[in-house]
Amino acid sequence: DIVMTQSPDSLAVSLGERATINCKSSQSVFYSSNNKNYFAWFQQKPGQPPRLLIYWASTRESGVPDRFSGSGSGTDFTLTISNMQAEDVAVYYCQQYYYTPRTFGQGTKVEIK
Amino acid sequence: QVQLVQSGAEVKKPGASVKVSCKASGYTFSDYYMHWVRQAPGQGLECMGWINPKSGGTNYAQKFQGRVTMTRDTSISTVYMELSRLRSDDTAVYYCARENDYYAFWGQGTLVTVSS
Repeated sequence: DIVMTQSPDSLAVSLGERATINCKSSQSVFYSSNNKNYFAWFQQKPGQPPRLLIYWASTRESGVPDRFSGSGSGTDFTLTISNMQAEDVAVYYCQQYYYTPRTFGQGTKVEIK
Repeated sequence: QVQLVQSGAEVKKPGASVKVSCKASGYTFSDYYMHWVRQAPGQGLECMGWINPKSGGTNYAQKFQGRVTMTRDTSISTVYMELSRLRSDDTAVYYCARENDYYAFWGQGTLVTVSS
């Protein structure tokens, strides 16, 4: 199975500051035929299902605030939360959907400093 | 609007089976594969496999092969996930998630507790 490794495992960010989460895939999830990275980011709050934030590595899902952005290609990806808000406290997961089975990172817990 | 509504929490004994349902609405049921993802308490997310609602075809993660069965009833737009020979480490929240490549829509989750 493809291993997705997130860093850091947790981080504390001051309100209004930037949070950066990295994710590395054990194999490339880039498909050259359509020039797409089969990669997504999710946010999960306690007692809730995951919420899709970013797909195709950098496309923001409808309704997701523009302070969330995704970047990267191939095996290395980043989720950035600019201007951290209290409601952004959550666990964030990366996922590849290129290979079967689809696999997630171990999660990054983001808190307020 | 797309909705995925799952069945309620279950408590099972080790060795038993559990069947969780996921009822879809707000879209054409047969147009999108449905996946199952589980999350043990305090742990990460794990994909179990998927079902093609149109054909009934399935693909299971190797870890669950032989223990998991995914089925569907197109007449009521519902998919099912049955897990057999339950162990304590199967205690988790089980989610259905609709695929359009990525998982844009999720069910609310079903807690399955395995305890003697």
